[in-house]
Amino acid sequence: GESVGLHLPTLSVQEGDNSIINCAYSNSASDYFIWYKQESGKGPQFIIDIRSNMDKRQGQRVTVLLNKTVKHLSLQIAATQPGDSAVYFCAEIAYNQGGKLIFGQGTELSVKP
Amino acid sequence: NAGVTQTPKFQVLKTGQSMTLQCAQDMNHNSMYWYRQDPGMGLRLIYYSASEGTTDKGEVPNGYNVSRLNKREFSLRLESAAPSQTSVYFCASSEWTGGTEAFFGQGTRLTVV
Repeated sequence: GESVGLHLPTLSVQEGDNSIINCAYSNSASDYFIWYKQESGKGPQFIIDIRSNMDKRQGQRVTVLLNKTVKHLSLQIAATQPGDSAVYFCAEIAYNQGGKLIFGQGTELSVKP
Repeated sequence: NAGVTQTPKFQVLKTGQSMTLQCAQDMNHNSMYWYRQDPGMGLRLIYYSASEGTTDKGEVPNGYNVSRLNKREFSLRLESAAPSQTSVYFCASSEWTGGTEAFFGQGTRLTVV
């Protein structure tokens, strides 16, 4: 069936550097793509979303890029901080499939001081 | 606001035992969800409820039942627990099904021996 998945399971960056987390998706019918952050021992927390008819969306220190041609989604975190250390999940919603929030596998981001 | 509250936080069951995981939200959200998260894995949708009085299967519904007791509460029942159901269970809610921002509880860590 359709699925959302991630390229890299782990990513280690130096504090202050920019981080890029990638995600591949296969459901071309998805209406929204979303990034969630999960800190150890906690539930996931919404970061940012992007509608399928957009290419880029910026938030506070984060930018999401969507390339529909190659079905690729990325999350860029500027000036990565130790508090950014977490597992990041991409997720998708397709309205013609019930609007359910479906998650990909996750990338663990580790920020070195 | 408490947000999404799950009980219990930890539980150990013997194979074949039954139990109900409780979830309540105080945000007046219409939609509620149950996910399971296995080690190193993403979140997989078990069941969801688009609104009070409705429930639908997610990606991995087998072995589970749910009840949307009222707008606030959504419970998950394991009738006959199996070791394969050892996992961390997360309840979430969103304003409506298709809403990109879901709010998650702290999780229930369930071990079936």
